[in-house]
Amino acid sequence: DQQVKQNSPSLSVQEGRISILNCDYTNSMFDYFLWYKKYPAEGPTFLISISSIKDKNEDGRFTVFLNKSAKHLSLHIVPSQPGDSAVYFCAASIFSGTYKYIFGTGTRLKVLA
Amino acid sequence: DTGVSQDPRHKITKRGQNVTFRCDPISEHNRLYWYRQTLGQGPEFLTYFQNEAQLEKSRLLSDRFSAERPKGSFSTLEIQRTEQGDSAMYLCASSHRTSGRTYNEQFFGPGTRLTVL
Repeated sequence: DQQVKQNSPSLSVQEGRISILNCDYTNSMFDYFLWYKKYPAEGPTFLISISSIKDKNEDGRFTVFLNKSAKHLSLHIVPSQPGDSAVYFCAASIFSGTYKYIFGTGTRLKVLA
Repeated sequence: DTGVSQDPRHKITKRGQNVTFRCDPISEHNRLYWYRQTLGQGPEFLTYFQNEAQLEKSRLLSDRFSAERPKGSFSTLEIQRTEQGDSAMYLCASSHRTSGRTYNEQFFGPGTRLTVL
């Protein structure tokens, strides 16, 4: 069962506009949510995280929103830049003896110049 | 470069052969994780070390897989009698447990891409 879902495999956005990447989850026991960015031939790079007790976290051009009642989070990138083109993974952290990350399947973002 | 490193970056092997991958975490990190990523999927948790102790193994980790972290620094992941279904990217990540925080972000290496012919 896919506990973390990214239903959009790809997204194209014009440079300077807002990119919104979405993620849904099913397990209410998740305590942290994270976004990772991945370029080809590289490992995922940590981008931003949010605790389950918050509803918003902002870091520069990146903002993550959490809607616990809907079990939904989103990553907003404003303004989008061509260098943001990558695969973005949503991950949820759960403690079950140890902290494990459960990843979504990723969304490929393409920012058009 | 003080990031997580993995060796080799690519490995092509024939079915039935054994392979071993190495991961060097960020030096002060006491937690080390192995993940596997197949095409079109996100990374899937395989196993986790705190210092030299292997604390958890996923059911994805069959008996053909073994991981070690003998001195609490680098780690190795060995796959015996490889099968074509083992073809994947094997990712290593590390993190540092900080008192007062309930989680710490994991830092990933570049991965080892395994192709089993």
